[in-house]
Amino acid sequence: EAGVAQSPRYKIIEKRQSVAFWCNPISGHATLYWYQQILGQGPKLLIQFQNNGVVDDSQLPKDRFSAERLKGVDSTLKIQPAKLEDSAVYLCASSFLGTGTGLYEQYFGPGTRLTVT
Amino acid sequence: AQSVTQLGSHVSVSEGALVLLRCNYSSSVPPYLFWYVQYPNQGLQLLLKYTSAATLVKGINGFEAEFKKSETSFHLTKPSAHMSDAAEYFCAVRSYSSASKIIFGSGTRLSIRP
Repeated sequence: EAGVAQSPRYKIIEKRQSVAFWCNPISGHATLYWYQQILGQGPKLLIQFQNNGVVDDSQLPKDRFSAERLKGVDSTLKIQPAKLEDSAVYLCASSFLGTGTGLYEQYFGPGTRLTVT
Repeated sequence: AQSVTQLGSHVSVSEGALVLLRCNYSSSVPPYLFWYVQYPNQGLQLLLKYTSAATLVKGINGFEAEFKKSETSFHLTKPSAHMSDAAEYFCAVRSYSSASKIIFGSGTRLSIRP
């Protein structure tokens, strides 16, 4: 089974530029997550999709960050314009949409390391 | 609200020594708890999870964790460290408000001395 794919793996941009990250989840996984992981910290959830609808975007800085999952499969996360503090690893994860109160294990991609100079 | 606190941002042990990574949780309801590992330049991988069944949970790569309600702890252990265990380890708790959302601790970097 193929894992979660992300691209690019590394990106260096100057502040005020734009950048986009792409994620392709595991086939059949309805739920997709984008996390921001700043150096020395744990991952912080930015946005969660269920199919192509947004479940939680409460911690997404909406003035500069946007994300979409138009066909309920792959997703893009965009930053425009970037700030120095956006330097981080952006992780994508996916999980199977179960029912009831069971655990929904999240599978992570390798991440995109963004450096804003 | 649920949260986890990892004690010690960096732990260093000798190869063959006991590994102990500490995690305390805060939850108003019985928690579901996780340990994830992140190797350099890779995503996170699930090591083990606690789902209110057995209090001693065994995971991959020889790791295990014990849920102690009286101490609100879920510490990760491994009897004998191997060089390949060097990585970042994250404790996490499932959100009460959303079964599909988990909240991560700040992580502990484990170094192994030859």
